[in-house]
Order: sequence, then C-alpha cells, then structure tokens
Amino acid sequence: DAKTTQPNSMESNEEEPVHLPCNHSTISGTDYIHWYRQLPSQGPEYVIHGLTSNVNNRMASLAIAEDRKSSTLILHRATLRDAAVYYCIDGQGGSEKLVFGKGMKLTVNP
Amino acid sequence: DADVTQTPRNRITKTGKRIMLECSQTKGHDRMYWYRQDPGLGLRLIYYSFDVKDINKGEISDGYSVSRQAQAKFSLSLESAIPNQTALYFCATSAGRPQSETQYFGPGTRLLVL
Repeated sequence: DAKTTQPNSMESNEEEPVHLPCNHSTISGTDYIHWYRQLPSQGPEYVIHGLTSNVNNRMASLAIAEDRKSSTLILHRATLRDAAVYYCIDGQGGSEKLVFGKGMKLTVNP
Repeated sequence: DADVTQTPRNRITKTGKRIMLECSQTKGHDRMYWYRQDPGLGLRLIYYSFDVKDINKGEISDGYSVSRQAQAKFSLSLESAIPNQTALYFCATSAGRPQSETQYFGPGTRLLVL
C-alpha cells in the first residue's frame, strides 16, 4: 500500500499559487519522490519528480524537505485546467513499481 | 498521435465472458504496466513487464492474465469476467525503473461487467 499521506482535497483560486503537501513517512534514502496528476476522464500524467534538491519544470516546482519526509508541489499560478487529482508517490523502498494511493483532489475556483 | 493507445475505450460484457484489453505504445519503452482504478481506491497494479520475456504479477493479479506480444504491445485478459472487475483500466509504459523514469499512461478502458 502507498505510504504517502496527502489531504483528501484542497481548493484554490485561479491565478493564485497553490501548495500541495505530501508526507513521506517511510521513504528510504534512494527513493525518488514523484508527482502525477489525473485530469477528469484521462489517464494520469507526470508532473515532476526529484530526489533531494528542489526541482522546477514548466508545469510546477517541487520542494523537498531536508529530511525528505515531506514534499510540496507548487503550482505558481493555478488555472482551471489544473483541477485534477494529484498523486504523490515515493519509491517504496526500491520496489520495481510505483504505488498510487487515493490522491488529493484539487479544485480551482474561477 | 497518442504515444500510448488502448482499445477498446469502453466495453460492456457479461459475467463469465472472456475479454481482452489491448495496449500499444510508440515510445519504444521496454517496460509496460496494467493498472486498475476503482472509485476511492486510487490505482492498483495488476501486472507489469520488463520486456517480452519478463512478466510479473502486481498487487491484484488474480482473475487476470497478460500477454506481451511484442515490445510495443501488452494485452490484459479477463478469462471469466465477474462484476467486481468493473473498473477503469490503464496501461502505462516507462523507459526504465519507475523509481527514476516517468510513466506514460494511456487514456484508459472503461469496463462494465454485468
């Protein structure tokens, strides 16, 4: 089972930044932290991943705590299209597979 | 064109029937996966394959079988469908270990077993 912990849901306003938290209580030293999202009626899509350092890409930023027990996905300027279920995943102790939990539903208000 | 395609997109079948869900990818990836999604339960891994000759069971493989016909094709079969296999099924691919490589998902197949 997934070992990450996320809120069930969050709300944000359009064009404002939103910070999505995740706890990784059982993460091991070599596990990457991944974030995926699933838009309505679509398959999951990759957002970002990182190991220790903060990461930025065109979609988002990922802030990783120094002890790696938590991470935060940052959407700098939320749009209506960012409304989705967001999954944070860690490497499950070197397992060959990623385990997707229930995720967190983000609602973006116009 | 989509990199990962699934057919059919929707399927209704009856209890006891055998059905096959197909997945094709044009990304050239060796690794392919089948997931199942139920409301409120997230995604659960059914089977995964590292290459044509290497197939592994996931969390919930009972009642399912798979076939990796080629690097680009990975099929999921329900030998005798039952109602609790009603779900959304996703295929995914990755270039390497999902620890560090992105997984690319297909659009999903919605299956209803009556």
